[in-house]
Amino acid sequence: LAKTTQPISMDSYEGQEVNITCSHNNIATNDYITWYQQFPSQGPRFIIQGYKTKVTNEVASLFIPADRKSSTLSLPRVSLSDTAVYYCLVGDDFSGGYNKLIFGAGTRLAVHP
Amino acid sequence: DGGITQSPKYLFRKEGQNVTLSCEQNLNHDAMYWYRQDPGQGLRLIYYSQIVNDFQKGDIAEGYSVSREKKESFPLTVTSAQKNPTAFYLCASTDRPATNEKLFFGSGTQLSVL
Repeated sequence: LAKTTQPISMDSYEGQEVNITCSHNNIATNDYITWYQQFPSQGPRFIIQGYKTKVTNEVASLFIPADRKSSTLSLPRVSLSDTAVYYCLVGDDFSGGYNKLIFGAGTRLAVHP
Repeated sequence: DGGITQSPKYLFRKEGQNVTLSCEQNLNHDAMYWYRQDPGQGLRLIYYSQIVNDFQKGDIAEGYSVSREKKESFPLTVTSAQKNPTAFYLCASTDRPATNEKLFFGSGTQLSVL
């Protein structure tokens, strides 16, 4: 059973705002929602994390509705260097006290000139 | 600088050989993870450990083994039982896995079969 569902791929153009939505219907009460960015042959890099409402940092915004069953990563004015895979991560069910931290398939964002 | 160090960056395995991938962190994190990534695919969890001398199987543990004798080290052995080991391997750590706190990743090891 997938913990998160994201679009497989998205295309955009330089200067546009990109919104990537992740569904996580079974999110646990104490779980944070975390987004990562990955370039080819590199480890994922933390982008932003939130619990509810809206969070903004220097690179992105994260919108979380009241029911927390989904979240939207917003990248303002993307550039070619934002071409990457973006992962939404929520915790897995606790099994014997352990949180497995399972990644979904991610969204491949391609930014065009 | 604090962080996670994976070595080697590239590794080649002969048929029937066991190889060990190193992962060291100086972040004082309790939890460490190993993921496998195949070309064009997402990350799949191999093993994870939340305290010293304890570790749990992830979704694809067959053909792999780990140890956690020290807090800062979590080596992964790819055994000869793993018939398709060619992949990119990533190690990660976090200090508060219970609430899905931020994961810190190493730069990865690319394993190929000769």
